[in-house]
Amino acid sequence: DAKTTQPPSMDCAEGRAANLPCNHSTISGNEYVYWYRQIHSQGPQYIIHGLKNNETNEMASLIITEDRKSSTLILPHATLRDTAVYYCIVRRLGGADGLTFGKGTHLIIQP
Amino acid sequence: GAVVSQHPSWVICKSGTSVKIECRSLDFQATTMFWYRQFPKQSLMLMATSNEGSKATYEQGVEKDKFLINHASLTLSTLTVTSAHPEDSSFYICSARTGDEQYFGPGTRLTVT
Repeated sequence: DAKTTQPPSMDCAEGRAANLPCNHSTISGNEYVYWYRQIHSQGPQYIIHGLKNNETNEMASLIITEDRKSSTLILPHATLRDTAVYYCIVRRLGGADGLTFGKGTHLIIQP
Repeated sequence: GAVVSQHPSWVICKSGTSVKIECRSLDFQATTMFWYRQFPKQSLMLMATSNEGSKATYEQGVEKDKFLINHASLTLSTLTVTSAHPEDSSFYICSARTGDEQYFGPGTRLTVT
């Protein structure tokens, strides 16, 4: 699976949009971009995934650049409960392997 | 849907004893389950991949005789930490695969004294 690079930490004011970047310049054509988050002392939670089109669900939006070398996860109206470590992972859809977690971005939502 | 549970949520055991952690997929069948370990302030590290009815595949550096994995049914995998030592104290997390997705359990905090 391709390697990803994320900033170690970010702050965001409550109620504002949180934009989390991820670089994945070695992504292959059949690899998807997945985002998970881990709230302190809990298991990771799936957020969203995409191949090349922008995606949106009830939790977040995912914007993938046209060359697919980077992406941005957007939490449109961040709340204190969104404070967590966010992981960007690149993997093949349907891959039978476990996930490779990088260090992620520790997002802190400030009141 | 797609709920994964773990039991216990936390456990304290004495050095030299064994402890078993259960991972269950509650509303789906999982042919593959994964076990991860997470030390404080670090990321999750994959320990092993468990397929129902067959032997687990361990990642490099993970002792298969120390971390026994049993995946006897499509909804249950167990991880037994044998002869536990204080350095085995960690947060153990399982995930279960269904279709293209993996769903994670809430984790088990193991403390070895």
